[in-house]
Amino acid sequence: DAGVTQSPTHLIKTRGQQVTLRCSPKSGHDTVSWYQQALGQGPQFIFQYYEEEERQRGNFPDRFSGHQFPNYSSELNVNALLLGDSALYLCASSLDYEQYFGPGTRLTVT
Amino acid sequence: AQSVAQPEDQVNVAEGNPLTVKCTYSVSGNPYLFWYVQYPNRGLQFLLKYITGDNLVKGSYGFEAEFNKSQTSFHLKKPSALVSDSALYFCAVRDGGSSNTGKLIFGQGTTLQVKP
Repeated sequence: DAGVTQSPTHLIKTRGQQVTLRCSPKSGHDTVSWYQQALGQGPQFIFQYYEEEERQRGNFPDRFSGHQFPNYSSELNVNALLLGDSALYLCASSLDYEQYFGPGTRLTVT
Repeated sequence: AQSVAQPEDQVNVAEGNPLTVKCTYSVSGNPYLFWYVQYPNRGLQFLLKYITGDNLVKGSYGFEAEFNKSQTSFHLKKPSALVSDSALYFCAVRDGGSSNTGKLIFGQGTTLQVKP
């Protein structure tokens, strides 16, 4: 059984550009959450999708948006990239109480 | 608001000795608590959770955690540490939602260093 997968693994973008990160949840999981982990910090919640709708949102600006598809996979989009957006972006899927995390996408903004 | 604190940035222990990584929480209502481990350049791996029931929770890789309601703590423990346990450990509390929804709020993390 494949776990949570994310693509790409690494990404380098320039300030002002836009980026799309992708996540495939663990088989049978219908809820996907996205987190941002800056260097030396704990993960910070961005938003969560369930039944193709954004159910909860953390304290992130509207530049961060997402989508969930009928197969439960999800995308995270970030517009007008800032240097401060450089981080590890983690996707997590859940069916019950625990959330299972993917390996993350390392985004570097130059 | 829900919050989690991990008071130690780093814990050092010799291989074979018991280890404890501390976590305290602040929640309104019943706490749903979790421990995750992160190895370098990897995502988070689920270790164990407390939802309800016994205060001593057993998890993966020989880890366990003790839920203490009066002290609002959820310390991670292992009777005998291995060098391979060296990693970054996160305590988290779930905020809101039903069984499969609700965001996780993480502590700042504790680096565990196990020396041979």
